[in-house]
Amino acid sequence: KNEVEQSPQNLTAQEGEFITINCSYSVGISALHWLQQHPGGGIVSLFMLSSGKKKHGRLIATINIQEKHSSLHITASHPRDSAVYICAVVTYNTDKLIFGTGTRLQVFP
Amino acid sequence: KAGVTQTPRYLIKTRGQQVTLSCSPISGHRSVSWYQQTPGQGLQFLFEYFSETQRNKGNFPGRFSGRQFSNSRSEMNVSTLELGDSALYLCASSFEPNTEAFFGQGTRLTVV
Repeated sequence: KNEVEQSPQNLTAQEGEFITINCSYSVGISALHWLQQHPGGGIVSLFMLSSGKKKHGRLIATINIQEKHSSLHITASHPRDSAVYICAVVTYNTDKLIFGTGTRLQVFP
Repeated sequence: KAGVTQTPRYLIKTRGQQVTLSCSPISGHRSVSWYQQTPGQGLQFLFEYFSETQRNKGNFPGRFSGRQFSNSRSEMNVSTLELGDSALYLCASSFEPNTEAFFGQGTRLTVV
């Protein structure tokens, strides 16, 4: 079993829909990252959070430390949101990054 | 402000050779991390450098090594290349460890 699990693996949506991507982890963490990777490989860091909730534009990330779970929400999705979204955790004692396998999102007009 | 620059962008090497990849961080950033991405294993952490010292290391064999210079630029080296080393190698810089990271475009290495 992977230490960081994401669901769903693939997601298809119509433009305007509300999207939720989930990340569950089994290790103690000091922080969690949400990353976005477009075709071609470039990665953008969306959020780094250790508690609560963060919002940036149409993106919202939440984390529940007790339940070891985080969600990334996209409101009013747009075709340009099509990408792979990756959750990564920073392990508590060793400060190492462990990545989830990613969620491939396609938003159609 | 220039972003994280990785060179070269693409590289083809043969088995048994060695390769050196370079990463220039954002000006003022002192932390550089390296990652390997393959279709089978996804993204995996290689190592992290901060102020010229290796701060952390992932679970990779000793053929993978790196260093960081006084200007924060970093290099990683892979010796005795294997077919399985074919991957996208990404580096990320941040002001200091555990702060927001900015990724380069990656170096795509193909070993034939």
